[in-house]
Amino acid sequence: DIQMTQSPSSLSASVGDRVTITCQASQDISTYFNWYQQKPGTAPKLLIRDVANLEVGVPSRFSGSGFGTEFTFTISSLQPEDIATYYCQQYETQPYTFGQGTKVEIK
Amino acid sequence: EVQLVQSGAEVTKPGATLKISCKVSGYTFTNSYMHWVQQVPGKGLEWMGLVDPEDGETIYAEKFQGRVIISADTSTDTAYLELSSLRSDDTAFYYCATSSGGSRAYFDFWGQGTLVTVSS
Repeated sequence: DIQMTQSPSSLSASVGDRVTITCQASQDISTYFNWYQQKPGTAPKLLIRDVANLEVGVPSRFSGSGFGTEFTFTISSLQPEDIATYYCQQYETQPYTFGQGTKVEIK
Repeated sequence: EVQLVQSGAEVTKPGATLKISCKVSGYTFTNSYMHWVQQVPGKGLEWMGLVDPEDGETIYAEKFQGRVIISADTSTDTAYLELSSLRSDDTAFYYCATSSGGSRAYFDFWGQGTLVTVSS
C-alpha cells in the first residue's frame, strides 16, 4: 500500500497567518492527489483535486502544489472558518490511502 | 443537485451483521463508482472499497476483504455496505462517497455518514 505521511499532525496559527501542510507519498503518485477539509461532525469536503485544482466555490486562499511524492497545501491567510482537520489522499493505486490528518487551530 | 443520503445510526452486538444504505439522486447512478470510507471516532479516514454500479464489480481494501460486501441496486439508485462478524473496533462512521469524474477517485460528493456502534 502507498503510505501518505502528512505533517504536522496539528498546528496553531493566528488569523491572517500563512499555513502550510505537507504530504509525502511512499512512492510516485504523479498527480493523483487530493486535499480534503473536515469540520467536526461533518463529512469531509473536497477542496483541491489533482494536486492544484481548486473545487468550485473554494476560496482562493487555499492552494496546492507538488508532483510525484512531495505535496504541499497552503492557506495564504488563515480565517476563523478554516478551523478543521485537513487530509491528503492518493488515488494512483488501490487501496486509495489518506494521510493521518492535520488539525488546524486558531492561536 | 447531487445528494447521497445514508441510513441512520445503528447500535449492534459483536458478531452481528449489518447493512447500511446510501441512496443517491441528482446524477446517473451508473456513471460513477461508489466508494465507502471508514472513520473511527477521533481518527483518520480509511478507504474500504468500491462498487461499479453499472456491472456490480467490486474492489476491496485487503483489510476489509472477507468481512465487507459492497453492492449497488440500480433499480433504486442505492448503494449498500454490509459488515459481518462485527467487532468493537468496527465502531465507526461509515461514509459513502462518489466522484463526478466517474472512475476517478476524487470524492467530491459524500453522504452524511452513518455511525455504527458495536457494543455488548
